[in-house]
Amino acid sequence: EPEVTQTPSHQVTQMGQEVILRCVPISNHLYFYWYRQILGQKVEFLVSFYNNEISEKSEIFDDQFSVERPDGSNFTLKIRSTKLEDSAMYFCASSGTEQETQYFGPGTRLLVL
Amino acid sequence: EDQVTQSPEALRLQEGESSSLNCSYTVSGLRGLFWYRQDPGKGPEFLFTLYSAGEEKEKERLKATLTKKESFLHITAPKPEDSATYLCAVQPKTSYDKVIFGPGTSLSVIP
Repeated sequence: EPEVTQTPSHQVTQMGQEVILRCVPISNHLYFYWYRQILGQKVEFLVSFYNNEISEKSEIFDDQFSVERPDGSNFTLKIRSTKLEDSAMYFCASSGTEQETQYFGPGTRLLVL
Repeated sequence: EDQVTQSPEALRLQEGESSSLNCSYTVSGLRGLFWYRQDPGKGPEFLFTLYSAGEEKEKERLKATLTKKESFLHITAPKPEDSATYLCAVQPKTSYDKVIFGPGTSLSVIP
């Protein structure tokens, strides 16, 4: 069964450093998403991406965040200068169309020290 | 403001003891409602999508139903492996992409 994969599973970084989280969406999907979940809190939408551009973003997704599809299989989330409050689980998701179910990856646990 | 609430926050059941989880939502038009299961430290695992009031979906011991204001996830004769957090999420018509999650119900099924 096709699935979304994410690397790394865990990332520890120092405050102010840049991190790149990687995702491989389901191969025939066209819509890609990033969500985050701070420990003990709700899953929150960050950004959606279609046709090589951002479709929608939340107020959380400020200038320190960027997304990219560098090739035909990977989808990345970059945090330019990490803050302590960026510590969270980051989930990538993909869907076949904008109205179809979003399938989630296993997540990357980011810890900013 | 679009909002999703879930109750109860936590539920402890004996194996075989059926129950229901509630998801109440306030959205400016519903495009779809989703149920996911989340195990500790893992990503949400898709269970069901519901689109219109009156719709029902079933999978093994789980059955999801939808009304205009809420959705229920019924668990029949649960087993310990059903222990997880169950997340409800909605996609409002005002957004093509964003899915708004509720806080989840943590279910523990005791043998």
